[in-house]
Amino acid sequence: KAGVTQTPRYLIKTRGQQVTLSCSPISGHRSVSWYQQTPGQGLQFLFEYFSETQRNKGNFPGRFSGRQFSNSRSEMNVSTLELGDSALYLCASSLYQGTDTQYFGPGTRLTVL
Amino acid sequence: DAKTTQPPSMDCAEGRAANLPCNHSTISGNEYVYWYRQIHSQGPQYIIHGLKNNETNEMASLIITEDRKSSTLILPHATLRDTAVYYCIVRVREYGNKLVFGAGTILRVKS
Repeated sequence: KAGVTQTPRYLIKTRGQQVTLSCSPISGHRSVSWYQQTPGQGLQFLFEYFSETQRNKGNFPGRFSGRQFSNSRSEMNVSTLELGDSALYLCASSLYQGTDTQYFGPGTRLTVL
Repeated sequence: DAKTTQPPSMDCAEGRAANLPCNHSTISGNEYVYWYRQIHSQGPQYIIHGLKNNETNEMASLIITEDRKSSTLILPHATLRDTAVYYCIVRVREYGNKLVFGAGTILRVKS
């Protein structure tokens, strides 16, 4: 089975722009979670989607949003980019909500100039 | 906040067993212990998880103490490719799929 895929792998944006990142879960997985990783804050949970509905949300401003499509693919969007949004954005998929094991993708490295 | 405590770093000789400890003294009865590792700038890789009993798979073994307040991840024959940050995570079930990562342990395998 193919793993979790994320596109693009690298992205450079400037302050004030917006960005959309994409995640394709492992085939058959219905839950997708997003995490942000920075040197200062480590790995932090952004949000989780299951059956096209946001089920859980971390402590991030409203500039961070996401959605999930009927095929379980997910996108996250960051509007009005700030320098501090530079990070590795990771997507993880699991079969269902709950305690199923999450499998991570390779991440998208976002640099905001 | 993470519910686990891990040493910041450890060294291990190549070919020897690497034993990575984790304290989770406030773990609840229905919470699992998960281990992931992250090789530089890659996505975290799932290693193993357990509830009460010791677990083993092709990558590692997980030893959980009887009182469940601590655990040890064992890589039986460490190689240079096992150099990574290892995260011990207690699954907070009431928050669904959320994983709370701490700082982890940097394992350096040396030849």
